[in-house]
Amino acid sequence: EAQVTQNPRYLITVTGKKLTVTCSQNMNHEYMSWYRQDPGLGLRQIYYSMNVEVTDKGDVPEGYKVSRKEKRNFPLILESPSPNQTSLYFCASSSAAYNEQFFGPGTRLTVL
Amino acid sequence: DQQVKQNSPSLSVQEGRISILNCDYTNSMFDYFLWYKKYPAEGPTFLISISSIKDKNEDGRFTVFLNKSAKHLSLHIVPSQPGDSAVYFCAASSSGGSNYKLTFGKGTLLTVNP
Repeated sequence: EAQVTQNPRYLITVTGKKLTVTCSQNMNHEYMSWYRQDPGLGLRQIYYSMNVEVTDKGDVPEGYKVSRKEKRNFPLILESPSPNQTSLYFCASSSAAYNEQFFGPGTRLTVL
Repeated sequence: DQQVKQNSPSLSVQEGRISILNCDYTNSMFDYFLWYKKYPAEGPTFLISISSIKDKNEDGRFTVFLNKSAKHLSLHIVPSQPGDSAVYFCAASSSGGSNYKLTFGKGTLLTVNP
C-alpha cells in the first residue's frame, strides 16, 4: 500500500529536549516536505527537499532542521524545542514538486 | 501576506444540495491549483486539481472552476453527502518558481446535515 508514515503520532516533551520526528514514503517520490498546522493559520511549509541531499527552507523554518540522506526518509529535527513549536506536523511527498502531495497521518507535538 | 484566502471558515449544507467552497489568490504566478480534504486525526488527502490553462475540471461529484481574471476558484460538490463533512483546503503552486511548494489557505469546515 502506497503511504507516508510518521512517527511518533503523539509526543509530549519539555523545552530544550532534542527530538526527531521520522517520515518515510514507499512511493519512490523525489519531493518531500514538512508542514505544520495551527488553528487559524492553515498549513505552512517548514522545509522541503527536491531530492537526496537537496533541502531548502519553506515559510517557517526557524527552530527546525531536516536531512535527506535516503530518498524514502525525511526526518524533522527540533534541536531545542520551545512551546511555540507545539503544533500538528505533517510530512508529504510527491512525484514532482507541484504535483499532488500525499500526506502522512500527522504528529501532534506538545512542548511544555 | 496571505496569498491564498478562504474567507469562509465554515459552511453548512443540507444533504443532497450543492456545496460551493470558494478560494481567492493574489499571486499571479500561481498556475496550478488543488483542493484537499481533511478529516480529524488524519492527514489531508488530495481531491481534485486544475491547471491555469483550463477553467473547469470535473471528477464525479466534484467540480473545480477557475476564473483567472478574478484570481478566484471554487469547488462544487453535487450532491453533497454527510461523508463530505470535513475541512477543505485550497492550495496553489507555481511551476516556474524557485521554491516548488504548495501555498495553502486556512481551510473551510464543511458540514453536510442529513
